[in-house]
Amino acid sequence: NAGVTQTPKFQVLKTGQSMTLQCAQDMNHEYMSWYRQDPGMGLRLIHYSVGAGITDQGEVPNGYNVSRSTTEDFPLRLLSAAPSQTSVYFCASSRGREPNTGELFFGEGSRLTVL
Amino acid sequence: SQQGEEDPQALSIQEGENATMNCSYKTSINNLQWYRQNSGRGLVHLILIRSNEREKHSGRLRVTLDTSKKSSSLLITASRAADTASYFCATPPRGGYQKVTFGTGTKLQVIP
Repeated sequence: NAGVTQTPKFQVLKTGQSMTLQCAQDMNHEYMSWYRQDPGMGLRLIHYSVGAGITDQGEVPNGYNVSRSTTEDFPLRLLSAAPSQTSVYFCASSRGREPNTGELFFGEGSRLTVL
Repeated sequence: SQQGEEDPQALSIQEGENATMNCSYKTSINNLQWYRQNSGRGLVHLILIRSNEREKHSGRLRVTLDTSKKSSSLLITASRAADTASYFCATPPRGGYQKVTFGTGTKLQVIP
């Protein structure tokens, strides 16, 4: 059981380039989300999804797009990378929508540097 | 805006001592969760306490929740060097559990 898998682990981009961070989970979780982690800022929610075809914005969605065509995959797209998007990105998933559940399972992170 | 805030930001203790970190939050919650992050790794879920619970134990972990003060504490007893990590609280807001937000974390160093 792989859990949550993120690729790539490391990426260097130039300003203005686009790329997609991949996230896949094999636990049949309905809920998936993307966070970015910056020093002194903790984790900030970018986008989340409660099921295939359903996405919504988190705290810091600008500059990022997501889609959820399958239960397993939740890619994060950077349309035109900026140095401010240099960060470590984490994908997380959880089982479902019920209250009082919601333990998040995290991937190992993708470290992105934008020059 | 971030819902939870941990305190202190950093904590350094000797192996065998107890470590206590606190979390304060702003709005009503369904539950409160604590996570650990080892350096360079993803977060790992430690324990969840429901809004109608006041205390919960798991091994060397003890979590308390005071909904009247909107605060929680995580106690790690008999700490080990392997407990060195950052600890975060997460607070899914009532009615909006999907937007799980985290605080800035407490960085714990356990000195052997």
